[in-house]
Amino acid sequence: DTGVSQNPRHKITKRGQNVTFRCDPISEHNRLYWYRQTLGQGPEFLTYFQNEAQLEKSRLLSDRFSAERPKGSFSTLEIQRTEQGDSAMYLCASSSTGGSYNEQFFGPGTRLTVL
Amino acid sequence: AQSVSQHNHHVILSEAASLELGCNYSYGGTVNLFWYVQYPGQHLQLLLKYFSGDPLVKGIKGFEAEFIKSKFSFNLRKPSVQWSDTAEYFCAVNANSNYQLIWGAGTKLIIKP
Repeated sequence: DTGVSQNPRHKITKRGQNVTFRCDPISEHNRLYWYRQTLGQGPEFLTYFQNEAQLEKSRLLSDRFSAERPKGSFSTLEIQRTEQGDSAMYLCASSSTGGSYNEQFFGPGTRLTVL
Repeated sequence: AQSVSQHNHHVILSEAASLELGCNYSYGGTVNLFWYVQYPGQHLQLLLKYFSGDPLVKGIKGFEAEFIKSKFSFNLRKPSVQWSDTAEYFCAVNANSNYQLIWGAGTKLIIKP
């Protein structure tokens, strides 16, 4: 399968713990996006990379959130000192610079539950 | 700020019924418009998209959508739904200068066999 992959698929943690999620985009895609989706809502944009450069960050991304894409391939999203309000599905998407503008391909998501 | 409204949160139809899901956006400039679908247990998939040209766009599985600029709308249609169309449908908008997708809250569609 050459689609976007995300690990882990589920994460349960206690409030105050740190968690890290990984996203592997489609190999030839140089753009990578993180979104958060809570129950009954559409995805909300968090941040966007072009290659290794983080070009946009949403106001939703508090200081406890950090994302990296060190070699322009996979990306990690870390949440420090998790809070119950962080419970959500975290989605990763990737797109190429050529072809259909901004057609984003999504991974299966990581569901985070903070107890 | 840009926003996307999907007015129907839940829709229940019988097989062979016609479908129209509403999507309105608020942005005065040039936009790219998308419908994504999420089948139960699966990830988001692109159903169809509009960038420019013919405002009536056709997507996969017999779906189509019409962009009406004057109404800021991009409604999704299918003339005859099937049980396998049971899914959640999301409308999303992107403005040319911005790589973000702004999403509606989604419409859960249930097709009764």
